[in-house]
Amino acid sequence: DVKVTQSSRYLVKRTGEKVFLECVQDMDHENMFWYRQDPGLGLRLIYFSYDVKMKEKGDIPEGYSVSREKKERFSLILESASTNQTSMYLCASSLSGGLGTSYNEQFFGPGTRLTVL
Amino acid sequence: GENVEQHPSTLSVQEGDSAVIKCTYSDSASNYFPWYKQELGKGPQLIIDIRSNVGEKKDQRIAVTLNKTAKHFSLHITETQPEDSAVYFCAASGYSTLTFGKGTMLLVSP
Repeated sequence: DVKVTQSSRYLVKRTGEKVFLECVQDMDHENMFWYRQDPGLGLRLIYFSYDVKMKEKGDIPEGYSVSREKKERFSLILESASTNQTSMYLCASSLSGGLGTSYNEQFFGPGTRLTVL
Repeated sequence: GENVEQHPSTLSVQEGDSAVIKCTYSDSASNYFPWYKQELGKGPQLIIDIRSNVGEKKDQRIAVTLNKTAKHFSLHITETQPEDSAVYFCAASGYSTLTFGKGTMLLVSP
């Protein structure tokens, strides 16, 4: 089975801290994604990557950055955490599609619930 | 960009009833429409998907229909069971990324 793991299920940080959320997948997938999930807003794409060292902005990239140094690992970085970044963060991965990055099933991790105080 | 509207936001049914969740999308170039189910404490999981060259697809108790002219697609669950209780997300995609609806919380009462 495809497995996507996220470094923490729950995380509490202070305003202004630098926060790292780690995601690892074990199925050699080319594509990796970071979403945030908020009640009533669904899943919103923050960043995605279709290859090592490649990254693309999603719909809400402001206040975030990402790093993909190895194929299996995709990190989300909050440079200076703020209270409005309190949310559930979901990582996903998928195989590369011949016609685009989104045509294959995305496998999600269990999520990290981040609270910024 | 793409905009996906999903209704209803909550749906309560009795065990054995059918449930229907509807989505509309804005970008006529979108041609891939997956549905994800998220159980409590877990990440979303794909349950069924449909591509624009197909009007309907079935998998046991689950079916999805697509009307490209009207730009809407629906999820149908028949003979609902308590384990169908979850949040369901529709999504639409053209080339690059998925745009998700806001989700429907389905509650199936025994």
